[in-house]
Amino acid sequence: GNSVTQMEGPVTLSEEAFLTINCTYTATGYPSLFWYVQYPGEGLQLLLKATKADDKGSNKGFEATYRKETTSFHLEKGSVQVSDSAVYFCALRLLSGGYNKLIFGAGTRLAVHP
Amino acid sequence: KAGVTQTPRYLIKTRGQQVTLSCSPISGHRSVSWYQQTPGQGLQFLFEYFSETQRNKGNFPGRFSGRQFSNSRSEMNVSTLELGDSALYLCASSLDSGVRDTEAFFGQGTRLTVV
Repeated sequence: GNSVTQMEGPVTLSEEAFLTINCTYTATGYPSLFWYVQYPGEGLQLLLKATKADDKGSNKGFEATYRKETTSFHLEKGSVQVSDSAVYFCALRLLSGGYNKLIFGAGTRLAVHP
Repeated sequence: KAGVTQTPRYLIKTRGQQVTLSCSPISGHRSVSWYQQTPGQGLQFLFEYFSETQRNKGNFPGRFSGRQFSNSRSEMNVSTLELGDSALYLCASSLDSGVRDTEAFFGQGTRLTVV
């Protein structure tokens, strides 16, 4: 089946630390990959995306590279801020025979302390 | 450009009742999807509507239903509510769900509590 596995949280970092949140996927086809972020009391916001192998998505200092050979899409940021504290979701989407839905990982909570 | 609007933001219902949630997508978007978010199960796909037709359905009981109107606004209905239906219900709209890099834009959700 199709699934997304994320590293369990919470991840607790000091401000300006380096962030990595691991994400691997299993898919029967060729998915597009996404990272979404959810702030407390809010819906999901698209952080970045990649639609084919070796694509790098980037936004607000966050980056993730679509690695087909390792079926991974790890999220990284060089220097986190307190305002980055949120829950991060990795997701995949397949387009095949009318199949179109986002499949999410369990989410990783990030807490950044001053 | 207005974002995805979900109403109401909060609901409290009693077991056995039914509830209707509303979602107004971004203007021009024809695809609307619904997701249920719970601490135990995470984010799960409920269904997707495109041009008033249900195109995909997740693995939920028949008590969960939805529809989409000609102006792309969508409603979902849950009948005979159970305690386990307590969740954040999120709606997402897309311009064209058949395009590979289409982005899904989410609303703030409706928090449903069943007591």
